[in-house]
Amino acid sequence: DAKTTQPNSMESNEEEPVHLPCNHSTISGTDYIHWYRQLPSQGPEYVIHGLTSNVNNRMASLAIAEDRKSSTLILHRATLRDAAVYYCTSQRGGDNAGGTSYGKLTFGQGTILTVHP
Amino acid sequence: DGGITQSPKYLFRKEGQNVTLSCEQNLNHDAMYWYRQDPGQGLRLIYYSQIVNDFQKGDIAEGYSVSREKKESFPLTVTSAQKNPTAFYLCASSPWTSGALETQYFGPGTRLLVL
Repeated sequence: DAKTTQPNSMESNEEEPVHLPCNHSTISGTDYIHWYRQLPSQGPEYVIHGLTSNVNNRMASLAIAEDRKSSTLILHRATLRDAAVYYCTSQRGGDNAGGTSYGKLTFGQGTILTVHP
Repeated sequence: DGGITQSPKYLFRKEGQNVTLSCEQNLNHDAMYWYRQDPGQGLRLIYYSQIVNDFQKGDIAEGYSVSREKKESFPLTVTSAQKNPTAFYLCASSPWTSGALETQYFGPGTRLLVL
């Protein structure tokens, strides 16, 4: 399973963009990159995912490096409600072929994002 | 409302005791998962199930057991063999489509404490 590496913490001001980096140098060609975020004492919440191309949704954008060894989650305008732990994860995809690790998410330690008013 | 429920929110275990954590989903998802989270750490997969009456071990299955008798339910038993059970336990579910990835939806979690 691909191991992900993220900075322990980052800070941002409200209304400013935030770029959260993630390294996943051992990712395989069929592993998807997922981002989840978690508020204290709650379950994680899905943010965005991608495979090779950059992705956008209403919550964020995901920029994936051409070699797929790193990616960046972009929050275009941080709000106080975006303060959370952000996890970059990989998920085995592609041909199942009976693989028992198919669909399994591998979580790292995450980045604690602090947003200042 | 569709979603995942976990109960209880807090659970206390005595030494040598087995305890069972409940997880129910009404999302009609085929796959369900159990994760453990220790303070300041990421999530680690305990068990997962792709279909009723079938489940696989995750990365840290020792000391835990599960069953999947119904699509909606995936209870986790923390046995006395688990020597360090104090943690935050998270249940998740997702659709299961061959050859495609699916987002996982998480419950609110159960915090287990050892007395």
